Amino acid sequence: AQSVTQLGSHVSVSEGALVLLRCNYSSSVPPYLFWYVQYPNQGLQLLLKYTSAATLVKGINGFEAEFKKSETSFHLTKPSAHMSDAAEYFCAVSDVGNTPLVFGKGTRLSVIA
Amino acid sequence: ETGVTQTPRHLVMGMTNKKSLKCEQHLGHNAMYWYKQSAKKPLELMFVYSLEERVENNSVPSRFSPECPNSSHLFLHLHTLQPEDSALYLCASSRQAGENYGYTFGSGTRLTVV
Repeated sequence: AQSVTQLGSHVSVSEGALVLLRCNYSSSVPPYLFWYVQYPNQGLQLLLKYTSAATLVKGINGFEAEFKKSETSFHLTKPSAHMSDAAEYFCAVSDVGNTPLVFGKGTRLSVIA
Repeated sequence: ETGVTQTPRHLVMGMTNKKSLKCEQHLGHNAMYWYKQSAKKPLELMFVYSLEERVENNSVPSRFSPECPNSSHLFLHLHTLQPEDSALYLCASSRQAGENYGYTFGSGTRLTVV
């Protein structure tokens, strides 16, 4: 069964600094991978997805993630953090076929002025 | 407007009450999901419906009872809940079950059991 590990339950960066949120997956087959963002008192919003096309995936709000099969990783990055990026970020994985998404525990991003 | 609407946004209920959560989507999706989000725990998949038929039930206690009368509506009926059931309940939909284009989530219902 697939699983997702997000390293660091809380990450704090300064405004304008690089954002790096880590995600490692475990899957028996090439997976589909997703990053979602959750703002306070809201549901989850899709940031970006990897579905076996380009390994570098660009998403909304300036975020991108790179699929590295050799490292079983799908880390999320943004070159310059903005105050509005403060939120909870979830990595999720789905195997090919009719399997629902499995989510990581989430990483809370704080941005310091 | 996310395309998936959940009501109510907040609910406080006693352990002996019966209440229902409602989810509605008009995206033309054929699959709908209930997830439970508790503090410091991963999102837990509770139920999956595909074309109005339940296709997955992850060992959820019987005090939670889902209903999917049509592809646009999903309910979660609650009765005799426990305080540990307090959580954010999220509804999601996708074009088809297990589809890998991502889910659309509602804003959730914040449930407090007292």
